[in-house]
Amino acid sequence: KNEVEQSPQNLTAQEGEFITINCSYSVGISALHWLQQHPGGGIVSLFMLSSGKKKHGRLIATINIQEKHSSLHITASHPRDSAVYICAVTRGGADGLTFGKGTHLIIQP
Amino acid sequence: NAGVTQTPKFQVLKTGQSMTLQCAQDMNHNSMYWYRQDPGMGLRLIYYSASEGTTDKGEVPNGYNVSRLNKREFSLRLESAAPSQTSVYFCASSPREKLFFGSGTQLSVL
Repeated sequence: KNEVEQSPQNLTAQEGEFITINCSYSVGISALHWLQQHPGGGIVSLFMLSSGKKKHGRLIATINIQEKHSSLHITASHPRDSAVYICAVTRGGADGLTFGKGTHLIIQP
Repeated sequence: NAGVTQTPKFQVLKTGQSMTLQCAQDMNHNSMYWYRQDPGMGLRLIYYSASEGTTDKGEVPNGYNVSRLNKREFSLRLESAAPSQTSVYFCASSPREKLFFGSGTQLSVL
């Protein structure tokens, strides 16, 4: 069983819809990360969370440490939000992050 | 301030050839990483370096070697490339827990 599981794997929605991507993990963590990867592009860090909730523009990330679960929400989705969203966790060691397989999001105009 | 610079962006090799992927960061980060990304697999750690002068194996180190030349540079070498090493490679650096990624190297081994 993967340590980090994301759902859904693929998501297609219409412009303006509210989007939710879920991440569950099975190990103790010191932080959880949400990353964004555009087609053919590099990877950028969106959020790093250890508790509660963070908001940046139309993106909101939440984490429930007791339930080992995090969600990434996108409000008023736009075609430029189309990308792969990756959840990753760190256990605080020197070996970096453990990654989920990603959620491929397509927002249609 | 360029962040993490990774070269080359694309490379095609024949089986058995060798090559080195270069990575440099100008953010004075201690930790640097090499990942590979394969369809349906997510990012997997090849090697990492927690500080200058140290390197450690990650999840998938076989067929690779690394060098932490100084604090800025961390290179990945394929001594004898195999088709199974066809992948997209990402270098990353970190001050502590947040990762900063290079733009990736698309490598094909024929």
